[in-house]
Amino acid sequence: GDSVTQMEGPVTLSEEAFLTINCTYTATGYPSLFWYVQYPGEGLQLLLKATKADDKGSNKGFEATYRKETTSFHLEKGSVQVSDSAVYFCALSENSYDKVIFGPGTSLSVIP
Amino acid sequence: DAEITQSPRHKITETGRQVTLACHQTWNHNNMFWYRQDLGHGLRLIHYSYGVHDTNKGEVSDGYSVSRSNTEDLPLTLESAASSQTSVYFCASSGTLQETQYFGPGTRLLVL
Repeated sequence: GDSVTQMEGPVTLSEEAFLTINCTYTATGYPSLFWYVQYPGEGLQLLLKATKADDKGSNKGFEATYRKETTSFHLEKGSVQVSDSAVYFCALSENSYDKVIFGPGTSLSVIP
Repeated sequence: DAEITQSPRHKITETGRQVTLACHQTWNHNNMFWYRQDLGHGLRLIHYSYGVHDTNKGEVSDGYSVSRSNTEDLPLTLESAASSQTSVYFCASSGTLQETQYFGPGTRLLVL
């Protein structure tokens, strides 16, 4: 079945450092791909998404490109802030609105 | 503003008791989902519904049930709570045609 693999955390970075969180997926079809973010004590929020190969999703300085050839959707940000400290989940869905399969999550801590 | 709410936000119960977690959305979305979040597993799908009187089992449905008597609500029932069901539970909803899922704030359940 479909699945999502993410790099193990926790990840600790200094403010203004470059962030990469790796994500790879396995799917039988052509899924939509997502990054969700969960801030401490809150529910999940959609950070960005891409619905087809070579699409780039972007939001709040974060970017991820749908790479079908490598089945990857790595999350990047050029300069992280303390306020980016959260858990990041890579996910996929056969449709944008349907049930979602999540990776295990990567905890990010950004220190001043 | 439209929203999705969950209640209670925190619940402590004893093994063997029946517990119901509420989920209410005001977007008039057809699709509703229940997930549980556990360390190392990300979010796993418990049950989902595509409309009134429709319910489907997800990846980890054993010991849980749902019913959909109207568009706005999808209560999740633990028939006989077990310690393995200690978790954080998230409800989500989505409309159709490329809308993403929106998540509730979560319910933290402790089964003693």
